[in-house]
Amino acid sequence: EVQLVQSGAEVKKPGESLKISCKGSGYSLTSYWIGWVRQMPGKGLEWMGIIYPGDSDTRYSPSFQGQVTISADKSITTAYLQWSSLKASDSAMYYCARRAGSSLNYFDYWGQGTLVTVSS
Amino acid sequence: QSALTQPASVSGSPGQSITISCTGTSSDVGTYNLVSWYQHHPGKAPKLMIYEGSKRPSGVSNRFSGSKSGNTASLTISGLQAEDEADYYCCSYAGSSTWVFGGGTKLTVL
Repeated sequence: EVQLVQSGAEVKKPGESLKISCKGSGYSLTSYWIGWVRQMPGKGLEWMGIIYPGDSDTRYSPSFQGQVTISADKSITTAYLQWSSLKASDSAMYYCARRAGSSLNYFDYWGQGTLVTVSS
Repeated sequence: QSALTQPASVSGSPGQSITISCTGTSSDVGTYNLVSWYQHHPGKAPKLMIYEGSKRPSGVSNRFSGSKSGNTASLTISGLQAEDEADYYCCSYAGSSTWVFGGGTKLTVL
Protein backbone atom coordinates (compact mmCIF):
# COMPACT_ATOMS: atom_id res chain seq x y z
CA GLU A 1 0.00 0.00 0.00
CA VAL A 2 1.37 3.38 -1.00
CA GLN A 3 1.66 5.77 1.92
CA LEU A 4 3.17 9.18 2.49
CA VAL A 5 3.63 9.85 6.19
CA GLN A 6 4.54 13.36 7.25
CA SER A 7 6.24 14.54 10.40
CA GLY A 8 4.22 16.00 13.24
CA ALA A 9 2.99 19.48 13.97
CA GLU A 10 5.58 22.12 14.77
CA VAL A 11 5.45 25.32 16.81
CA LYS A 12 8.31 27.68 16.14
CA LYS A 13 9.33 31.28 16.72
CA PRO A 14 10.03 33.78 13.96
CA GLY A 15 13.62 33.52 12.78
CA GLU A 16 13.99 29.85 13.69
CA SER A 17 14.79 27.17 11.16
CA LEU A 18 12.64 24.14 10.42
CA LYS A 19 12.74 20.99 8.34
CA ILE A 20 9.63 18.86 7.91
CA SER A 21 9.58 15.45 6.33
CA CYS A 22 7.52 13.16 4.13
CA LYS A 23 8.37 9.47 4.19
CA GLY A 24 7.18 7.27 1.37
CA SER A 25 6.46 3.57 1.64
CA GLY A 26 4.89 0.89 -0.50
CA TYR A 27 6.64 2.08 -3.65
CA SER A 28 10.05 3.13 -4.91
CA LEU A 29 10.52 6.75 -3.77
CA THR A 30 13.38 7.24 -6.18
CA SER A 31 11.08 6.66 -9.15
CA TYR A 32 8.41 9.23 -8.36
CA TRP A 33 8.47 13.00 -7.98
CA ILE A 34 7.28 14.36 -4.61
CA GLY A 35 5.63 17.75 -4.47
CA TRP A 36 4.84 20.12 -1.62
CA VAL A 37 1.62 22.09 -1.26
CA ARG A 38 0.80 24.88 1.20
CA GLN A 39 -2.57 25.72 2.67
CA MET A 40 -2.63 28.87 4.74
CA PRO A 41 -5.42 29.24 7.29
CA GLY A 42 -8.74 29.71 5.54
CA LYS A 43 -7.08 29.74 2.13
CA GLY A 44 -6.65 27.41 -0.83
CA LEU A 45 -3.96 25.02 -1.92
CA GLU A 46 -0.77 26.45 -3.40
CA TRP A 47 1.79 24.44 -5.29
CA MET A 48 5.25 25.12 -3.86
CA GLY A 49 7.65 22.86 -5.67
CA ILE A 50 8.66 19.32 -6.46
CA ILE A 51 11.67 17.02 -6.29
CA TYR A 52 12.71 13.84 -8.05
CA PRO A 53 14.50 11.88 -5.31
CA GLY A 54 16.30 9.72 -7.86
CA ASP A 55 18.56 12.59 -8.92
CA SER A 56 17.36 15.50 -6.73
CA ASP A 57 16.08 17.45 -9.72
CA THR A 58 14.03 20.18 -8.05
CA ARG A 59 11.58 22.74 -9.40
CA TYR A 60 9.99 25.62 -7.51
CA SER A 61 6.98 27.82 -7.98
CA PRO A 62 8.22 31.38 -8.55
CA SER A 63 6.29 32.34 -5.42
CA PHE A 64 8.39 30.03 -3.28
CA GLN A 65 11.78 30.12 -5.02
CA GLY A 66 14.33 31.29 -2.48
CA GLN A 67 11.84 31.07 0.39
CA VAL A 68 12.08 27.33 1.04
CA THR A 69 14.37 24.45 0.17
CA ILE A 70 13.12 21.08 -1.01
CA SER A 71 15.43 18.11 -0.65
CA ALA A 72 15.32 14.33 -0.41
CA ASP A 73 17.28 11.45 1.04
CA LYS A 74 16.58 8.48 -1.17
CA SER A 75 18.36 6.09 1.19
CA ILE A 76 15.58 6.60 3.72
CA THR A 77 12.83 7.27 1.16
CA THR A 78 12.13 10.71 2.62
CA ALA A 79 11.55 14.14 1.13
CA TYR A 80 11.98 17.37 3.06
CA LEU A 81 10.76 20.94 3.10
CA GLN A 82 12.86 23.41 5.03
CA TRP A 83 13.06 27.03 6.05
CA SER A 84 16.17 28.81 7.25
CA SER A 85 14.35 31.68 8.94
CA LEU A 86 10.65 31.29 9.58
CA LYS A 87 8.16 34.13 9.40
CA ALA A 88 4.71 34.33 10.92
CA SER A 89 3.32 34.15 7.39
CA ASP A 90 4.78 30.63 7.05
CA SER A 91 2.11 29.38 9.44
CA ALA A 92 0.14 26.90 7.40
CA MET A 93 -0.65 23.29 6.74
CA TYR A 94 1.85 21.68 4.41
CA TYR A 95 1.09 18.60 2.35
CA CYS A 96 3.39 16.37 0.36
CA ALA A 97 2.00 14.56 -2.65
CA ARG A 98 3.28 12.00 -5.12
CA ARG A 99 3.32 12.77 -8.82
CA ALA A 100 1.67 9.72 -10.35
CA GLY A 101 4.49 9.11 -12.81
CA SER A 102 7.30 10.94 -14.54
CA SER A 103 5.15 11.41 -17.63
CA LEU A 104 1.94 11.86 -15.66
CA ASN A 105 0.86 15.23 -14.38
CA TYR A 106 -1.33 14.76 -11.37
CA PHE A 107 -0.88 13.78 -7.74
CA ASP A 108 -2.28 10.42 -6.76
CA TYR A 109 -1.24 10.01 -3.12
CA TRP A 110 -1.03 12.67 -0.45
CA GLY A 111 0.44 12.88 3.02
CA GLN A 112 -1.75 13.70 5.99
CA GLY A 113 -0.30 17.18 6.32
CA THR A 114 2.05 18.93 8.76
CA LEU A 115 0.75 21.95 10.61
CA VAL A 116 3.39 24.62 11.11
CA THR A 117 2.70 27.44 13.54
CA VAL A 118 5.11 30.35 13.74
CA SER A 119 4.45 32.68 16.63
CA SER A 120 6.44 34.75 19.05
CA GLN B 1 2.19 31.83 -12.65
CA SER B 2 -1.16 33.01 -11.31
CA ALA B 3 -3.69 30.81 -9.54
CA LEU B 4 -6.44 29.38 -11.68
CA THR B 5 -9.82 31.04 -11.17
CA GLN B 6 -12.63 29.09 -9.52
CA PRO B 7 -15.92 30.31 -8.05
CA ALA B 8 -15.60 30.68 -4.30
CA SER B 9 -18.72 28.66 -3.64
CA VAL B 10 -21.43 26.60 -5.28
CA SER B 11 -24.41 24.85 -3.80
CA GLY B 12 -27.03 22.32 -4.78
CA SER B 13 -29.70 20.11 -3.32
CA PRO B 14 -29.34 16.35 -3.02
CA GLY B 15 -29.88 14.68 -6.37
CA GLN B 16 -29.11 17.80 -8.37
CA SER B 17 -26.06 18.44 -10.55
CA ILE B 18 -23.52 21.19 -10.13
CA THR B 19 -20.59 22.35 -12.21
CA ILE B 20 -17.43 24.03 -10.98
CA SER B 21 -15.41 26.01 -13.49
CA CYS B 22 -11.66 26.51 -13.50
CA THR B 23 -10.25 29.20 -15.75
CA GLY B 24 -6.60 29.44 -16.58
CA THR B 25 -4.55 30.78 -19.45
CA SER B 26 -2.95 29.63 -22.65
CA SER B 27 0.14 28.83 -20.56
CA ASP B 28 -1.56 26.18 -18.50
CA VAL B 29 -5.14 24.96 -18.95
CA GLY B 30 -5.29 26.08 -22.56
CA THR B 31 -2.10 24.35 -23.63
CA TYR B 32 -2.19 21.17 -21.61
CA ASN B 33 -5.21 18.89 -21.32
CA LEU B 34 -3.77 17.99 -17.95
CA VAL B 35 -6.18 19.38 -15.39
CA SER B 36 -6.78 17.37 -12.26
CA TRP B 37 -9.41 17.88 -9.60
CA TYR B 38 -9.10 17.23 -5.89
CA GLN B 39 -11.72 16.90 -3.19
CA HIS B 40 -10.60 18.25 0.18
CA HIS B 41 -12.39 17.76 3.45
CA PRO B 42 -10.88 20.05 6.09
CA GLY B 43 -8.27 18.30 8.18
CA LYS B 44 -7.87 15.44 5.73
CA ALA B 45 -5.58 14.78 2.81
CA PRO B 46 -6.84 15.95 -0.57
CA LYS B 47 -8.24 13.19 -2.77
CA LEU B 48 -7.77 12.89 -6.52
CA MET B 49 -11.14 12.87 -8.28
CA ILE B 50 -10.33 13.57 -11.93
CA TYR B 51 -7.07 13.53 -13.87
CA GLU B 52 -6.05 14.45 -17.40
CA GLY B 53 -9.17 16.51 -17.73
CA SER B 54 -11.78 13.78 -17.72
CA LYS B 55 -10.42 10.50 -16.38
CA ARG B 56 -11.58 9.02 -13.09
CA PRO B 57 -9.27 7.07 -10.80
CA SER B 58 -10.39 3.66 -9.72
CA GLY B 59 -12.87 3.94 -6.88
CA VAL B 60 -14.16 7.41 -7.71
CA SER B 61 -17.88 7.53 -8.39
CA ASN B 62 -18.99 8.02 -11.99
CA ARG B 63 -21.09 10.90 -10.68
CA PHE B 64 -17.91 12.94 -11.05
CA SER B 65 -16.92 14.02 -14.53
CA GLY B 66 -14.54 16.52 -16.06
CA SER B 67 -14.27 18.45 -19.29
CA LYS B 68 -12.39 21.31 -20.89
CA SER B 69 -13.07 24.03 -23.41
CA GLY B 70 -10.34 26.46 -24.32
CA ASN B 71 -8.77 27.88 -21.17
CA THR B 72 -11.56 26.62 -18.90
CA ALA B 73 -11.90 23.22 -17.29
CA SER B 74 -15.01 22.06 -15.50
CA LEU B 75 -15.94 19.51 -12.87
CA THR B 76 -19.51 18.26 -12.83
CA ILE B 77 -21.00 16.33 -9.97
CA SER B 78 -24.33 14.71 -10.70
CA GLY B 79 -26.76 13.20 -8.23
CA LEU B 80 -25.39 15.32 -5.39
CA GLN B 81 -25.00 13.56 -2.07
CA ALA B 82 -24.38 14.97 1.37
CA GLU B 83 -20.92 13.36 1.42
CA ASP B 84 -19.91 15.44 -1.61
CA GLU B 85 -19.83 18.56 0.55
CA ALA B 86 -16.19 19.61 0.55
CA ASP B 87 -13.73 22.00 -1.02
CA TYR B 88 -12.75 21.27 -4.60
CA TYR B 89 -9.54 22.37 -6.27
CA CYS B 90 -8.48 22.23 -9.87
CA CYS B 91 -4.82 21.92 -10.73
CA SER B 92 -3.17 22.36 -14.09
CA TYR B 93 0.22 21.33 -15.35
CA ALA B 94 2.08 24.47 -16.44
CA GLY B 95 5.13 22.97 -18.14
CA SER B 96 8.68 22.16 -16.97
CA SER B 97 7.41 20.05 -14.04
CA THR B 98 5.48 22.92 -12.47
CA TRP B 99 1.83 23.11 -11.54
CA VAL B 100 -0.72 25.70 -10.50
CA PHE B 101 -3.82 25.25 -8.36
CA GLY B 102 -7.13 27.02 -8.46
CA GLY B 103 -8.30 29.07 -5.51
CA GLY B 104 -10.76 26.38 -4.49
CA THR B 105 -14.55 26.11 -4.46
CA LYS B 106 -16.62 25.30 -1.41
CA LEU B 107 -19.46 22.98 -2.32
CA THR B 108 -22.47 23.10 -0.03
CA VAL B 109 -25.15 20.42 -0.29
CA LEU B 110 -28.34 22.07 0.87
